[in-house]
Amino acid sequence: GEDVEQSLFLSVREGDSSVINCTYTDSSSTYLYWYKQEPGAGLQLLTYIFSNMDMKQDQRLTVLLNKKDKHLSLRIADTQTGDSAIYFCAEREEGGGNKLTFGTGTQLKVEL
Amino acid sequence: DVKVTQSSRYLVKRTGEKVFLECVQDMDHENMFWYRQDPGLGLRLIYFSYDVKMKEKGDIPEGYSVSREKKERFSLILESASTNQTSMYLCASTLTGRAYEQYFGPGTRLTVT
Repeated sequence: GEDVEQSLFLSVREGDSSVINCTYTDSSSTYLYWYKQEPGAGLQLLTYIFSNMDMKQDQRLTVLLNKKDKHLSLRIADTQTGDSAIYFCAEREEGGGNKLTFGTGTQLKVEL
Repeated sequence: DVKVTQSSRYLVKRTGEKVFLECVQDMDHENMFWYRQDPGLGLRLIYFSYDVKMKEKGDIPEGYSVSREKKERFSLILESASTNQTSMYLCASTLTGRAYEQYFGPGTRLTVT
């Protein structure tokens, strides 16, 4: 089956950039997503990228997709304490209907 | 705003009890999902439903069942709770075709003692 992997923890200083990485195994992925989970809350969609794109920018967020290496990254510029959360990448496979496969999640800690 | 609500934020049950987790969405979404979230394992899909009375197994359906009698409500049932079902349970919903937007409830932290 599909497998989506992320590193478990990332710690950055406030004001620095954060880069959260994700690797996936399913080459038929059509959409890839980043979700954010704040403490005590459900997941919220941050951004997504279609598989025929290399990059997508949305304010402080930049998503890079390397389809050849099946690698997805999320860069957060000027990281703030409010960005502290768990970040999940997820993929939707072609023909997978409305199901998503989620990664293991990366806990981002922003230090002053 | 889409709202997905779950019946309880915290629940403590004993081993062997039958447990019902309820999820309600108010945006007429066809698709609803139940996940469990465990540290280091991320979200794993238990069951999903793409229409009333329809259900499909996800990746880890063992020990669980579901019910979808009305479009807005999707219930997860633990027939006989066990300690390894202690977890955070998340419900989500989405419109058909808009798989890029799964809306999540706040989660139910279930502890089975």
